[in-house]
Amino acid sequence: ETGVTQSPTHLIKTRGQQVTLRCSSQSGHNTVSWYQQALGQGPQFIFQYYREEENGRGNFPPRFSGLQFPNYSSELNVNALELDDSALYLCASSSAGQGEAFFGQGTRLTVV
Amino acid sequence: KQEVTQIPAALSVPEGENLVLNCSFTDSAIYNLQWFRQDPGKGLTSLLLIQSSQREQTSGRLNASLDKSSGRSTLYIAASQPGDSATYLCAVGYSGGGADGLTFGKGTHLIIQP
Repeated sequence: ETGVTQSPTHLIKTRGQQVTLRCSSQSGHNTVSWYQQALGQGPQFIFQYYREEENGRGNFPPRFSGLQFPNYSSELNVNALELDDSALYLCASSSAGQGEAFFGQGTRLTVV
Repeated sequence: KQEVTQIPAALSVPEGENLVLNCSFTDSAIYNLQWFRQDPGKGLTSLLLIQSSQREQTSGRLNASLDKSSGRSTLYIAASQPGDSATYLCAVGYSGGGADGLTFGKGTHLIIQP
């Protein structure tokens, strides 16, 4: 069984740029969620995709957007990067209705 | 708005001790509760999932309990080992589809002294 994988593992961007993070869900999972974790904090829910549609969103501005593909992999896009966007971005996959979430190793984004 | 609190924020104990980590949540209408482990700079590893209808779950030296009515969960670690050193996070979910996402506490940073 393949686990959740994320790429890249580390990324440095300049303020104002755009970034795309990628996630491959665990085999058999049809739901992908994204979280932002600032240093010393718990992860914060960004949004969730199910069957290629966003079906839930946390308190994040529209410049955070995403996609889910037919194979259930997903992308997180962040436009107009701000210094406060520096964080560990985590992807989680699950089977709808089952509840248990499995996380990838994360992408460390640094905005300078 | 749901809030999840974990106590203590940090804990350092000698190897071999049994210990309890606490998690409380303000809204008892949860669907499930999940405990995770996070090593520095890494992703989250799922330890135990408790459905709202369950009282506890066990995996090896770990036991998690849930008291939904009082808004509390505990993670019990038996015979602690240095390899247990990590941050432990508690998260609650509200719907089976997870469309509200998980709400996390800030975690308990655990150090097991050899």
